[in-house]
Amino acid sequence: AQSVTQLDSHVSVSEGTPVLLRCNYSSSYSPSLFWYVQHPNKGLQLLLKYTSAATLVKGINGFEAEFKKSETSFHLTKPSAHMSDAAEYFCVVRGGGFKTIFGAGTRLFVKA
Amino acid sequence: DVKVTQSSRYLVKRTGEKVFLECVQDMDHENMFWYRQDPGLGLRLIYFSYDVKMKEKGDIPEGYSVSREKKERFSLILESASTNQTSMYLCASSSPSVPYEQYFGPGTRLTVT
Repeated sequence: AQSVTQLDSHVSVSEGTPVLLRCNYSSSYSPSLFWYVQHPNKGLQLLLKYTSAATLVKGINGFEAEFKKSETSFHLTKPSAHMSDAAEYFCVVRGGGFKTIFGAGTRLFVKA
Repeated sequence: DVKVTQSSRYLVKRTGEKVFLECVQDMDHENMFWYRQDPGLGLRLIYFSYDVKMKEKGDIPEGYSVSREKKERFSLILESASTNQTSMYLCASSSPSVPYEQYFGPGTRLTVT
């Protein structure tokens, strides 16, 4: 069975400091993994995806994520946070059929 | 630019009312999805459709039904709204060639009183 766990419900960083949002997954087969971002009062937007190519995946707005099979992790990082990064972030794993399984979300706060 | 639109951003309904939430996509996608989003629970799949008139139950279909008469439109129906259906409802669509890349609408925040 497939599942995804986001290890932090809230993360707070100062502007200009690195961001780390943690995600662990479980999958019965070779996983497809995604990060989505949701800004306040907006729908979700795809940030980046891993589909068995390069293990380091680059996304939009300077975010990247590294697939680590041995650790079953897909953590999202950014070298320097910007105020506009404040949002909720969802780690997602491919499920069976057309389904995708969403983590509970991590809310990122960015302090000036 | 791809677009998924939802008929209302905010809705307030009374217990027992029949509620229709509409979703339209302009990307000619075969797959469409309805999720509800609750704090601390992420997104949970209610129903999805992979073609016109085709539908599949998701993880939490109880109390909901759906309709897909046209490819671009996917409706979520609450037959008799209850207070525990107060939530944010998100519609999404995807192409069969990349089914796990979903495009989301802005959401409808439904309050049932």
